[in-house]
Amino acid sequence: GESVGLHLPTLSVQEGDNSIINCAYSNSASDYFIWYKQESGKGPQFIIDIRSNMDKRQGQRVTVLLNKTVKHLSLQIAATQPGDSAVYFCAEKVASGTYKYIFGTGTRLKVLA
Amino acid sequence: DTEVTQTPKHLVMGMTNKKSLKCEQHMGHRAMYWYKQKAKKPPELMFVYSYEKLSINESVPSRFSPECPNSSLLNLHLHALQPEDSALYLCASSQGAVPGEKLFFGSGTQLSVL
Repeated sequence: GESVGLHLPTLSVQEGDNSIINCAYSNSASDYFIWYKQESGKGPQFIIDIRSNMDKRQGQRVTVLLNKTVKHLSLQIAATQPGDSAVYFCAEKVASGTYKYIFGTGTRLKVLA
Repeated sequence: DTEVTQTPKHLVMGMTNKKSLKCEQHMGHRAMYWYKQKAKKPPELMFVYSYEKLSINESVPSRFSPECPNSSLLNLHLHALQPEDSALYLCASSQGAVPGEKLFFGSGTQLSVL
């Protein structure tokens, strides 16, 4: 299940099940979004991206959905594996003179054997 | 080569020390970034360099001083830090101010200020 509290939100899923991680972004003018995976002690690792002129994009075992009406992004991981355990962040690209990337709060994914 | 290399991986410093964090990329990227990340929190943007010029400073205290000697290198000079500055410092790069390009991260420098 999913829990939200004082600490990082955590999503626990059984190995082999599908995972859905959600993200709300802030700026309706953002035109590009990235999902990152961060394992302990490492920098964020690119998973998949999507431009604002798309609603859906698929990669290997991952799908990103973008709903611009409600400023919502989701990451779907099919057949979740133990190696998927990590913290997942969405990032939006915001134009501010130059461009900058702003990160969401993150979700910890725990895969249960 | 799709790597962003950061050194050192770990750094312990006292509040009176001066130290520098280094970042290097050879992907021809023209935008480079410093982020700060506290435990269980998302990365927070500190600085953006675009074409070797500082383009964004997110109101970072002056005890952090960035430098971009050339298009491949980015430094962060540290002086008179406080214990609350202890964090993971991440460097990243992207092609430039072009929609749709990826942001690549290094592994970070874990900084402890005593």
